[in-house]
Amino acid sequence: EAGVTQFPSHSVIEKGQTVTLRCDPISGHDNLYWYRRVMGKEIKFLLHFVKESKQDESGMPNNRFLAERTGGTYSTLKVQPAELEDSGVYFCASSTRLDNGELFFGEGSRLTVL
Amino acid sequence: AQSVAQPEDQVNVAEGNPLTVKCTYSVSGNPYLFWYVQYPNRGLQFLLKYITGDNLVKGSYGFEAEFNKSQTSFHLKKPSALVSDSALYFCAVRDFWGSSNTGKLIFGQGTTLQVKP
Repeated sequence: EAGVTQFPSHSVIEKGQTVTLRCDPISGHDNLYWYRRVMGKEIKFLLHFVKESKQDESGMPNNRFLAERTGGTYSTLKVQPAELEDSGVYFCASSTRLDNGELFFGEGSRLTVL
Repeated sequence: AQSVAQPEDQVNVAEGNPLTVKCTYSVSGNPYLFWYVQYPNRGLQFLLKYITGDNLVKGSYGFEAEFNKSQTSFHLKKPSALVSDSALYFCAVRDFWGSSNTGKLIFGQGTTLQVKP
């Protein structure tokens, strides 16, 4: 069974540019989460999809971040325009049932904004 | 609001010695607690969880964690450390909004475990 895959693994962009991160969850997982870890800090929740619907986007930093999940399958997270403080590692995770608790994580997309 | 604290940025231990990575939590209600590990250039991997039942939880790779309600702690332990255990370890608690299970996890800052030969 394929795990959660994320693309790209590393992106280096200039301040003001746009970047789109993609996450392919495990097939059949309705729940999809985006998290971010800024250097040395805790992993912070960004948002949660149930199928194609945004269940909770309370962690999104501001309106420069836009997440979508087309047809309840893969998800994209767009940052436009990128700022220096957006640098970090963006993790995607998926799960089946809420009461299980175990999230399956991808390897992360490292974003560096110069 | 739920929160998790990992008081140590780094833990150093010699191979073969027991290891402990500390975690304390603050929740309203009963906690759902987790440990994840991140090896270099890899994603987070689930190690173990505590939902209910025995206070000593056994997980992957010989790790275990002890839930202590009076001390609000969930320390990760292993009787004999291996060099290959060197990694970044995260403690997490399930977030509940009132009585609703949101499914999301709240993570600590992470603790780097360095096991030396």
